[in-house]
Amino acid sequence: DAGVIQSPRHEVTEMGQEVTLRCKPISGHDYLFWYRQTMMRGLELLIYFNNNVPIDDSGMPEDRFSAKMPNASFSTLKIQPSEPRDSAVYFCASSLSGTALNEQFFGPGTRLTVL
Amino acid sequence: GQNIDQPTEMTATEGAIVQINCTYQTSGFNGLFWYQQHAGEAPTFLSYNVLDGLEEKGRFSSFLSRSKGYSYLLLKELQMKDSASYLCAPDGDNYGQNFVFGPGTRLSVLP
Repeated sequence: DAGVIQSPRHEVTEMGQEVTLRCKPISGHDYLFWYRQTMMRGLELLIYFNNNVPIDDSGMPEDRFSAKMPNASFSTLKIQPSEPRDSAVYFCASSLSGTALNEQFFGPGTRLTVL
Repeated sequence: GQNIDQPTEMTATEGAIVQINCTYQTSGFNGLFWYQQHAGEAPTFLSYNVLDGLEEKGRFSSFLSRSKGYSYLLLKELQMKDSASYLCAPDGDNYGQNFVFGPGTRLSVLP
């Protein structure tokens, strides 16, 4: 398996622009997570899905952020409009339920810079 | 809510042993994860403790005390490639799928 795939790997945009980050989880995994990592705040959970349904979005910073999972193999995280404080590395992770170990597998991340 | 505490930075010498501590307070608890994250890379799984005690896996061991809200990661025979951040993550959600990562401990291994 190729693991969790994220695109783009790097994104540089200007304040006010729309940004869309993409994720393909490991095939067969039923949980998908979006995280944001900064030096100041560490690794923060934004939202997670189970079987394509959002379960907990309490970590989403504000209405400018939205996430969708239209099918089991694809999810997007959208920021509109983007702001400089959104600059961070965004990770997507997936896991498989039904096992004693709920290990999450992380994608390589998208490094977002908002100018 | 959850409160997780780890030392910010640690330094050790190649070949030595280092212990990275993690204390936590969570509203629920299923188990505790340790993840390793090299600079510029994604976190990768190291261990998961559910029961009290020490679990050994090669050069790495992880300890858990549920009653004390305490865990540590023990790294033996340190190698340069062990220089990384180490994140503890108590699994405190009722669903068992949502866990909060600690701030991480940045370990530097010196020759």
